[in-house]
Amino acid sequence: SQKIEQNSEALNIQEGKTATLTCNYTNYSPAYLQWYRQDPGRGPVFLLLIRENEKEKRKERLKVTFDTTLKQSLFHITASQPADSATYLCALLKTNDYKLSFGAGTTVTVRA
Amino acid sequence: DAGITQSPRHKVTETGTPVTLRCHQTENHRYMYWYRQDPGHGLRLIHYSYGVKDTDKGEVSDGYSVSRSKTEDFLLTLESATSSQTSVYFCATRTSSGGSTDTQYFGPGTRLTVL
Repeated sequence: SQKIEQNSEALNIQEGKTATLTCNYTNYSPAYLQWYRQDPGRGPVFLLLIRENEKEKRKERLKVTFDTTLKQSLFHITASQPADSATYLCALLKTNDYKLSFGAGTTVTVRA
Repeated sequence: DAGITQSPRHKVTETGTPVTLRCHQTENHRYMYWYRQDPGHGLRLIHYSYGVKDTDKGEVSDGYSVSRSKTEDFLLTLESATSSQTSVYFCATRTSSGGSTDTQYFGPGTRLTVL
């Protein structure tokens, strides 16, 4: 069966450091991978999308990599700030499909 | 929340009663989705719609039905609520531009407790 796994434990880091989150998948051939941010009590908000033929994508302090051989995406938050504290979800989408499949999320806490 | 509202935001109900959750969007998006979110499971798709009166099942559709009579409204009904349906329910929409850059926009969620 298809499976999407993110870091199972919460991630606690010091302000200014880089947070690295992992998204691994099995029995899946996604064409696109997306990352979302979710704050407590709110719905997820889209951050970044990366295609299967792209190795890396950046947006401000965020960087995403996508390795289809390893079946893995890494999500980096550089120069982290307390405002980056949230749960981050990865989601996979097949070509011409309407439906995203989500991982369970990783909760990041950035200490001042 | 990109023009998506959900009602009610919180509801407590009893086992065996029917419950209807409403999602309303002002973005004129073609696709609409209902998810449930539970600890350790992430977001799981219940049902989705790809147009007015066009709906299909997701991975956890048992015990749920949906209806979409207008572009802007997508209703989720729990036919006979059970305690296992206690969860946070999110509605989402997506444009139909057909590009890979289509993203989903989520509503604020409805917290449902079934006693």
